[in-house]
Amino acid sequence: QKEVEQDPGPLSVPEGAIVSLNCTYSNSAFQYFMWYRQYSRKGPELLMYTYSSGNKEDGRFTAQVDKSSKYISLFIRDSQPSDSATYLCAMENTGFQKLVFGTGTRLLVSP
Amino acid sequence: DVKVTQSSRYLVKRTGEKVFLECVQDMDHENMFWYRQDPGLGLRLIYFSYDVKMKEKGDIPEGYSVSREKKERFSLILESASTNQTSMYLCASRAQGEAGNTIYFGEGSWLTVV
Repeated sequence: QKEVEQDPGPLSVPEGAIVSLNCTYSNSAFQYFMWYRQYSRKGPELLMYTYSSGNKEDGRFTAQVDKSSKYISLFIRDSQPSDSATYLCAMENTGFQKLVFGTGTRLLVSP
Repeated sequence: DVKVTQSSRYLVKRTGEKVFLECVQDMDHENMFWYRQDPGLGLRLIYFSYDVKMKEKGDIPEGYSVSREKKERFSLILESASTNQTSMYLCASRAQGEAGNTIYFGEGSWLTVV
């Protein structure tokens, strides 16, 4: 079993839809949770960062962490074609030993 | 603006060739990383370095070596390239002691071994 599981998609939605992207994990030591966005043939860029449990909002993006269920989510409101990309979740323990990535979910937002 | 630069974006090499992938960062970061990214497998850590001349194996170091002679530069070396090393290679850096939110990636180097 992988430490971090993420559905690869693709997830296709119409413009304006609410998108939900998710990851599950098995290591209860993870405390730092990140979402990266990666456009085609580009490097990943940090989108959201959350420490421990709870929610964090930034514009149209909301990150949620449920440590009791070992489940994290990224919500995108009013999705735009420019949101079409691969979204990678990543997590790390407090010792900053190693960042563990999900495989990424490819999102396609059609106009 | 922070910058991690991978000088070679697209390379085609022959089996058995020695390949150098160069990475330079301008943020004075102590930690640097090399990942490879493959469909369905995500990012896998090859090697990382936490200081000049220091290196640690990641999850998939076989067939690779690294060099860090200067703080800003971290090189990935394929001593004898094989077709199963065809992949996208990502360099990253971050400051010592910082959580994962401050890791910065380069644009990636696409390597094809024929």
